[in-house]
Amino acid sequence: GENVEQHPSTLSVQEGDSAVIKCTYSDSASNYFPWYKQELGKGPQLIIDIRSNVGEKKDQRIAVTLNKTAKHFSLHITETQPEDSAVYFCAASPPANAGNMLTFGGGTRLMVKP
Amino acid sequence: GAGVSQSPSNKVTEKGKDVELRCDPISGHTALYWYRQSLGQGLEFLIYFQGNSAPDKSGLPSDRFSAERTGGSVSTLTIQRTQQEDSAVYLCASSYLSGYTGELFFGEGSRLTVL
Repeated sequence: GENVEQHPSTLSVQEGDSAVIKCTYSDSASNYFPWYKQELGKGPQLIIDIRSNVGEKKDQRIAVTLNKTAKHFSLHITETQPEDSAVYFCAASPPANAGNMLTFGGGTRLMVKP
Repeated sequence: GAGVSQSPSNKVTEKGKDVELRCDPISGHTALYWYRQSLGQGLEFLIYFQGNSAPDKSGLPSDRFSAERTGGSVSTLTIQRTQQEDSAVYLCASSYLSGYTGELFFGEGSRLTVL
């Protein structure tokens, strides 16, 4: 089955700096890569996703890049703000006909210091 | 509300007791998932329901765990003879599409503590 590794497990940055979280996956058939943000006491919430037919996607201060050859994808947050502090999860999913679920990485706790 | 609702939000039980956790998905969502999140850990898949298809139970850690989904809506996760290692937050999510490439909407979770 799919295996998703996520690094780092914790990340502390100064407000205004950039943050980068990296994930690798094992199943070359995976073609959908979402990122979820989990604030304290809440359930995870989708913030951005990317499909395997593109290499990069951007939404305001958040961007995700995908390298299919290397089987890794990354989340980039620019101009970090204290409200970006949360746990971030990457995930990977194979095509719909493969009969498998989203596999999540272990999570990254991001702390943005004011 | 319009979101995924889970109850109870907190449950403290004694080792050996049975517990039931409930999930009310978003109306119209055909897919429903249960995940487990141990302290400081990632999301561990437990079980998946899609429409009237047989559930995918491949993530259930032991036969003490079971889940059902009645009428294609509300789901109950049951843990029998609870053990201390069952202590975790149990998250439910629903999705409109198959879930493979659709957004999952999570509830706030049920925190289970087994003494």
